[in-house]
Formats: sequence, structure tokens, C-alpha cells
Amino acid sequence: QVRLQESGPVLVKPSQTLSLTCTVSGGSISSGDYYWSWIRQPAGKGLEWLGRIYITGNTKYNPSVKSRVTISMDTSKNQVSLKLSSVTAADTAVYYCAATDYYVSGSPFDYWGQGNLVTVSS
Amino acid sequence: QSVMTQPPSASGTPGQRVTISCSGSSSNIGSKTVNWYQQFPGTAPKLLIHSNDQRPSGVPDRFSGSKSGTSASLAISGLQSEDEADYYCSAWDDNMNGPMFGGGTKLTVL
Repeated sequence: QVRLQESGPVLVKPSQTLSLTCTVSGGSISSGDYYWSWIRQPAGKGLEWLGRIYITGNTKYNPSVKSRVTISMDTSKNQVSLKLSSVTAADTAVYYCAATDYYVSGSPFDYWGQGNLVTVSS
Repeated sequence: QSVMTQPPSASGTPGQRVTISCSGSSSNIGSKTVNWYQQFPGTAPKLLIHSNDQRPSGVPDRFSGSKSGTSASLAISGLQSEDEADYYCSAWDDNMNGPMFGGGTKLTVL
């Protein structure tokens, strides 16, 4: 059973870079069994996929944030990271990391972290 | 820009059958499989249905999914108070080149 845990600052100033880490347990991110995604949800609103990474280093990003987002992996720590630059109040949201089985089509998110609320404010 | 549309709200009484619709386009639902998620307040979403109509282990068979053309539906039979939650559809979108979510439907059990 894969378990995901997000961590990082809860408050980020406008124009700065939001950085979050997702620590994976119960499985190795190096196994190649999963895509690792970041998804966010503003308070009272819907879900927005931000991007994903695979063990090969291949990434895909949502065009809405592509110019500002970077997702990376640290296999030695079994962690996946998110960086979102030039943040504004519109980036205030709960940020989730999630895992998608590489071998299952349709990209269902099988596993989710508990979420990390990030507020952008001066 | 691709969009997947859900009704913002739905309701039913205990024991009833309710359906939640999800309308998309040829770039998502029309050519890809649909997944559904259930989310309670303050918690992460949980995969409820994948591949249009498949239930992960542990999901009651009261929940069922279907797809036709560019639309999909989630049906909940024998509605229970604990089914009160937000429900989201999702499918890969070829225009976005990534998974897209519907806006979500808040289900109220009256």
C-alpha cells in the first residue's frame, strides 16, 4: 500500500516560489510502477492537475501553469517535489500529491496524500 | 479550451437512486476512459470508479459508472446518509495532454 505525505511551508509571499515535497512510503518511486502527480484545490472549488513525473524523468505539465511549474524526483529520499514560481493569491490552495498506476490506462489516481494547504499572502 | 461539465448539486432521500452526469467532448470523454472520485470535507479525494465502470476493491456495488459518447454518469443506488460528499469526474484530455476534472457535484442526502 503506497502512502503519500506532503510537506512544506503553509505561507508563501506573492511573487515568491512555492515549494512542496511528497514523501512516498510503502513503495519505491524508482520502481517505475507509478506516475507521480501534483493536484491542487482552492477552497470551495474543484480539482486542478498541475503536472506529473515518471522515473525516466519525463514530465507533463498543465498548460495553465507550465511556464511556472517544475516537478522533480529525489530517488535517494523517495520524494517527489513541486516548485511553482511567481505565485499570486490565485495559487492559494490545498496541494495534493497523487499516484497513478503506470500500467493502467486512463490515469486514475489510486493514491493521494492528505494535502498541504498553502496560502499566498504578504 | 476543453471542459468537463457536472451539475453543481444533486440530492436524494435515503434509499433512492441518484445519478450524476459529466459532459465532455471528443478530446476527453469521447475518446478516453472516465474515472470518478468521492471527496468528503477536509479530506483527499478517493478513487470511486475507474475505466468508466470498474470499482476498486472495497467500493460498494451501490456505486456504478457508465459512459456513452461524450458523456458519463455515476449512479448511486440505495442512497445512504454517508454518501453525502462531493463527486468529481475525470478523464485524460488530448488538448491539455493531461487529466482533466469536472467541476464537481455536491450530493446532499435529504
